[in-house]
Amino acid sequence: AQSVTQPDIHITVSEGASLELRCNYSYGATPYLFWYVQSPGQGLQLLLKYFSGDTLVQGIKGFEAEFKRSQSSFNLRKPSVHWSDAAEYFCAVGLNAGKSTFGDGTTLTVKP
Amino acid sequence: NAGVMQNPRHLVRRRGQEARLRCSPMKGHSHVYWYRQLPEEGLKFMVYLQKENIIDESGMPKERFSAEFPKEGPSILRIQQVVRGDSAAYFCASSPMTGEEYFGPGTRLLVL
Repeated sequence: AQSVTQPDIHITVSEGASLELRCNYSYGATPYLFWYVQSPGQGLQLLLKYFSGDTLVQGIKGFEAEFKRSQSSFNLRKPSVHWSDAAEYFCAVGLNAGKSTFGDGTTLTVKP
Repeated sequence: NAGVMQNPRHLVRRRGQEARLRCSPMKGHSHVYWYRQLPEEGLKFMVYLQKENIIDESGMPKERFSAEFPKEGPSILRIQQVVRGDSAAYFCASSPMTGEEYFGPGTRLLVL
Protein backbone atom coordinates (compact mmCIF):
# COMPACT_ATOMS: atom_id res chain seq x y z
CA ALA A 1 0.00 0.00 0.00
CA GLN A 2 1.17 3.48 -0.75
CA SER A 3 2.19 5.87 2.00
CA VAL A 4 3.39 9.42 2.29
CA THR A 5 5.63 10.79 5.01
CA GLN A 6 6.12 14.43 5.81
CA PRO A 7 8.83 14.28 8.47
CA ASP A 8 8.41 17.86 9.68
CA ILE A 9 5.25 18.55 11.60
CA HIS A 10 5.99 22.23 12.09
CA ILE A 11 8.53 24.55 10.47
CA THR A 12 9.23 28.17 11.31
CA VAL A 13 11.16 30.41 8.93
CA SER A 14 11.80 34.12 8.78
CA GLU A 15 10.18 36.17 6.07
CA GLY A 16 12.50 36.33 3.09
CA ALA A 17 14.30 33.14 3.99
CA SER A 18 14.29 30.07 1.82
CA LEU A 19 12.01 27.12 2.49
CA GLU A 20 12.14 23.41 1.90
CA LEU A 21 9.37 21.04 2.95
CA ARG A 22 10.17 17.37 2.79
CA CYS A 23 8.02 14.60 1.39
CA ASN A 24 8.87 10.92 1.02
CA TYR A 25 6.60 8.35 -0.46
CA SER A 26 6.32 4.62 -0.75
CA TYR A 27 4.70 3.32 -3.90
CA GLY A 28 4.91 0.38 -6.25
CA ALA A 29 5.39 2.50 -9.34
CA THR A 30 6.05 6.10 -10.20
CA PRO A 31 2.99 7.82 -8.89
CA TYR A 32 1.40 11.12 -9.58
CA LEU A 33 2.74 13.58 -6.99
CA PHE A 34 1.08 16.69 -5.65
CA TRP A 35 1.59 19.51 -3.21
CA TYR A 36 -1.40 21.32 -1.75
CA VAL A 37 -1.71 24.28 0.58
CA GLN A 38 -4.49 24.74 3.10
CA SER A 39 -5.19 27.91 5.01
CA PRO A 40 -7.09 27.61 8.31
CA GLY A 41 -10.72 26.71 7.75
CA GLN A 42 -10.26 26.52 4.02
CA GLY A 43 -10.09 23.84 1.36
CA LEU A 44 -7.01 22.65 -0.47
CA GLN A 45 -5.34 24.57 -3.23
CA LEU A 46 -3.10 22.73 -5.66
CA LEU A 47 0.39 24.25 -5.76
CA LEU A 48 1.95 21.92 -8.30
CA LYS A 49 1.92 18.40 -9.64
CA TYR A 50 4.25 15.88 -11.23
CA PHE A 51 3.01 13.28 -13.66
CA SER A 52 6.06 12.64 -15.85
CA GLY A 53 8.83 14.42 -17.72
CA ASP A 54 11.03 17.10 -16.21
CA THR A 55 11.67 16.25 -12.58
CA LEU A 56 11.76 19.90 -11.52
CA VAL A 57 8.23 21.20 -11.44
CA GLN A 58 7.21 24.82 -11.22
CA GLY A 59 4.03 25.73 -9.42
CA ILE A 60 2.02 28.74 -8.39
CA LYS A 61 3.06 31.38 -5.87
CA GLY A 62 6.74 30.87 -6.62
CA PHE A 63 6.90 27.26 -5.40
CA GLU A 64 8.79 24.46 -7.07
CA ALA A 65 9.35 20.80 -6.29
CA GLU A 66 11.85 18.22 -7.42
CA PHE A 67 11.05 14.57 -7.96
CA LYS A 68 13.95 12.30 -7.03
CA ARG A 69 13.16 8.72 -7.89
CA SER A 70 16.26 7.33 -6.17
CA GLN A 71 15.24 8.91 -2.88
CA SER A 72 11.47 8.51 -3.31
CA SER A 73 11.18 12.17 -2.50
CA PHE A 74 9.24 15.15 -3.78
CA ASN A 75 10.41 18.12 -1.71
CA LEU A 76 8.78 21.50 -2.01
CA ARG A 77 10.92 24.64 -2.17
CA LYS A 78 10.58 28.38 -2.31
CA PRO A 79 13.56 30.76 -2.48
CA SER A 80 12.00 33.57 -0.46
CA VAL A 81 9.06 33.08 1.86
CA HIS A 82 6.34 35.70 2.28
CA TRP A 83 4.19 36.13 5.39
CA SER A 84 1.16 35.07 3.35
CA ASP A 85 2.74 31.65 2.83
CA ALA A 86 1.94 30.70 6.42
CA ALA A 87 -0.40 27.73 6.12
CA GLU A 88 -0.44 23.95 6.20
CA TYR A 89 1.13 22.08 3.33
CA PHE A 90 0.21 18.59 2.22
CA CYS A 91 2.08 16.23 -0.03
CA ALA A 92 -0.01 13.60 -1.81
CA VAL A 93 0.52 10.69 -4.15
CA GLY A 94 -1.96 9.05 -6.44
CA LEU A 95 -2.30 6.59 -9.24
CA ASN A 96 -4.16 7.53 -12.38
CA ALA A 97 -7.44 9.13 -11.53
CA GLY A 98 -7.79 10.36 -8.01
CA LYS A 99 -7.81 8.46 -4.73
CA SER A 100 -4.80 10.27 -3.42
CA THR A 101 -2.90 9.34 -0.30
CA PHE A 102 -1.98 12.35 1.79
CA GLY A 103 0.76 13.01 4.27
CA ASP A 104 -0.15 14.38 7.66
CA GLY A 105 0.93 17.86 6.68
CA THR A 106 3.56 20.40 7.65
CA THR A 107 2.50 23.62 9.32
CA LEU A 108 4.53 26.61 8.20
CA THR A 109 4.91 29.64 10.45
CA VAL A 110 6.55 32.75 9.03
CA LYS A 111 8.29 35.13 11.43
CA PRO A 112 8.43 38.82 10.54
CA ASN B 1 -16.47 27.41 -14.71
CA ALA B 2 -17.52 27.08 -11.12
CA GLY B 3 -15.33 24.97 -8.92
CA VAL B 4 -16.36 22.04 -6.77
CA MET B 5 -19.19 23.10 -4.52
CA GLN B 6 -19.99 21.65 -1.15
CA ASN B 7 -22.83 22.41 1.18
CA PRO B 8 -23.38 23.08 3.88
CA ARG B 9 -20.03 24.60 4.81
CA HIS B 10 -20.71 24.01 8.50
CA LEU B 11 -23.04 21.46 10.02
CA VAL B 12 -23.85 20.91 13.66
CA ARG B 13 -25.60 17.74 14.75
CA ARG B 14 -26.41 16.11 18.04
CA ARG B 15 -25.37 12.55 18.71
CA GLY B 16 -27.73 10.12 17.02
CA GLN B 17 -28.87 12.46 14.28
CA GLU B 18 -28.15 12.07 10.59
CA ALA B 19 -25.73 14.22 8.61
CA ARG B 20 -26.07 14.72 4.86
CA LEU B 21 -23.21 16.35 3.02
CA ARG B 22 -23.55 17.42 -0.60
CA CYS B 23 -20.98 17.81 -3.32
CA SER B 24 -21.45 19.18 -6.83
CA PRO B 25 -18.44 18.36 -9.02
CA MET B 26 -16.96 20.69 -11.55
CA LYS B 27 -18.76 20.81 -14.85
CA GLY B 28 -17.68 17.94 -17.06
CA HIS B 29 -16.20 15.91 -14.20
CA SER B 30 -17.68 12.47 -13.70
CA HIS B 31 -15.41 11.25 -10.89
CA VAL B 32 -16.07 12.22 -7.29
CA TYR B 33 -14.00 11.43 -4.21
CA TRP B 34 -14.75 11.98 -0.55
CA TYR B 35 -12.05 12.52 2.06
CA ARG B 36 -12.16 13.06 5.80
CA GLN B 37 -9.76 15.26 7.70
CA LEU B 38 -9.60 14.82 11.44
CA PRO B 39 -8.05 17.63 13.51
CA GLU B 40 -4.27 17.84 13.15
CA GLU B 41 -4.24 15.14 10.46
CA GLY B 42 -4.07 14.88 6.71
CA LEU B 43 -6.90 13.87 4.46
CA LYS B 44 -7.93 10.23 4.44
CA PHE B 45 -9.62 8.72 1.41
CA MET B 46 -13.13 7.44 2.00
CA VAL B 47 -14.86 6.64 -1.28
CA TYR B 48 -14.59 7.06 -5.03
CA LEU B 49 -17.72 7.29 -7.15
CA GLN B 50 -18.71 7.73 -10.74
CA LYS B 51 -22.23 8.43 -11.85
CA GLU B 52 -24.51 5.81 -10.28
CA ASN B 53 -21.55 3.62 -9.31
CA ILE B 54 -19.35 3.18 -6.28
CA ILE B 55 -15.91 2.38 -7.63
CA ASP B 56 -13.89 2.13 -4.43
CA GLU B 57 -15.21 2.38 -0.90
CA SER B 58 -12.19 0.92 0.85
CA GLY B 59 -11.87 3.94 3.13
CA MET B 60 -15.47 4.05 4.28
CA PRO B 61 -16.36 2.89 7.78
CA LYS B 62 -18.38 -0.29 7.55
CA GLU B 63 -21.36 1.06 9.46
CA ARG B 64 -23.39 4.27 9.43
CA PHE B 65 -21.62 5.79 6.40
CA SER B 66 -22.93 5.67 2.85
CA ALA B 67 -22.33 7.60 -0.35
CA GLU B 68 -24.08 8.00 -3.65
CA PHE B 69 -23.64 9.89 -6.88
CA PRO B 70 -26.94 9.75 -8.75
CA LYS B 71 -27.44 10.31 -12.42
CA GLU B 72 -28.87 13.72 -11.66
CA GLY B 73 -27.88 15.95 -8.80
CA PRO B 74 -24.99 16.15 -6.38
CA SER B 75 -23.06 13.42 -4.67
CA ILE B 76 -24.25 12.78 -1.13
CA LEU B 77 -22.26 11.52 1.82
CA ARG B 78 -24.64 10.33 4.52
CA ILE B 79 -23.69 9.63 8.10
CA GLN B 80 -26.37 8.00 10.20
CA GLN B 81 -26.53 8.14 14.00
CA VAL B 82 -23.56 10.47 14.25
CA VAL B 83 -21.14 10.20 17.15
CA ARG B 84 -18.65 12.73 18.47
CA GLY B 85 -15.82 10.94 16.68
CA ASP B 86 -17.44 11.85 13.35
CA SER B 87 -16.59 15.50 13.95
CA ALA B 88 -14.21 16.39 11.15
CA ALA B 89 -13.87 18.27 7.91
CA TYR B 90 -15.20 16.34 4.94
CA PHE B 91 -13.79 17.25 1.56
CA CYS B 92 -15.09 16.35 -1.83
CA ALA B 93 -12.94 16.34 -4.94
CA SER B 94 -13.76 15.80 -8.58
CA SER B 95 -11.66 14.96 -11.57
CA PRO B 96 -11.83 14.21 -15.23
CA MET B 97 -9.69 11.30 -16.37
CA THR B 98 -6.32 13.04 -15.93
CA GLY B 99 -5.62 12.17 -12.32
CA GLU B 100 -5.75 15.70 -10.98
CA GLU B 101 -8.33 16.29 -8.30
CA TYR B 102 -10.04 19.58 -7.69
CA PHE B 103 -11.12 20.03 -4.11
CA GLY B 104 -14.17 21.72 -2.71
CA PRO B 105 -14.06 24.01 0.34
CA GLY B 106 -15.18 21.24 2.66
CA THR B 107 -17.97 20.72 5.16
CA ARG B 108 -17.06 21.08 8.81
CA LEU B 109 -19.17 18.70 10.84
CA LEU B 110 -19.46 19.19 14.56
CA VAL B 111 -21.26 16.59 16.63
CA LEU B 112 -22.40 17.77 20.03
